[in-house]
Amino acid sequence: QVQLGESGGGVVQPGRSLRLSCAASGFTFSTYGMHWVRQAPGKGLEWVALIWSDGSNKYYGDSVKGRFTVSRDNSNNTLYLQMSSLRAEDTAVYYCARGGDGGYSFDSWGQGILVTVSS
Amino acid sequence: EIVLTQSPGTLSLSPGERATLSCRASQSVSSTYLAWYQQKPGQAPRLLIYGASSRATGIPDRFSGSGSGTDFTLTISRLEPEDFAVYYCQQYDSSPGYTFGQGTKLEIK
Repeated sequence: QVQLGESGGGVVQPGRSLRLSCAASGFTFSTYGMHWVRQAPGKGLEWVALIWSDGSNKYYGDSVKGRFTVSRDNSNNTLYLQMSSLRAEDTAVYYCARGGDGGYSFDSWGQGILVTVSS
Repeated sequence: EIVLTQSPGTLSLSPGERATLSCRASQSVSSTYLAWYQQKPGQAPRLLIYGASSRATGIPDRFSGSGSGTDFTLTISRLEPEDFAVYYCQQYDSSPGYTFGQGTKLEIK
């Protein structure tokens, strides 16, 4: 079955960088668009980024544009999120998610990884 | 940017009852682009409905979605104990991308 597992989270100081990884298995990773979605503590869901199946196109939410970079390694079935210039408001659980039918929804999710931005 | 507003914020019902959750968009949304998710405490969201009315794989048929334009509804026909959770609607728009409603908490009365 589809499995997604995030890693790389933790506590980081404001202004610093962090890279998240998402290991995928149970499906043909190279044929799916992949997303990052985050959830601040006690808050709702916020879409962060999308990368097409072949990595040719990338899209970002307004709050992270210019600071975060999504990438993927289809040979190793891994999705990445490079986060730079981190702010306190980036504190959240970060989920990787597979693009659903037509690419308009998120049909499988990882368990999430907590990123805390604090001095 | 299309804003999704969910109502009510909290819905208190008993097992066996029918639940009706609303999602209203600030502009018309294609039904193809509207989805619903369930999230339980400490867990990732789970896709319930996509394309406004299509159930995702493995979702029981007591969950149904309907609506068009700016008004969409998630209905749970007979609540089971495991259905008490937070529910989010979500839409796709070419710019800025994907947005979620603020959520409806379905709690046991």
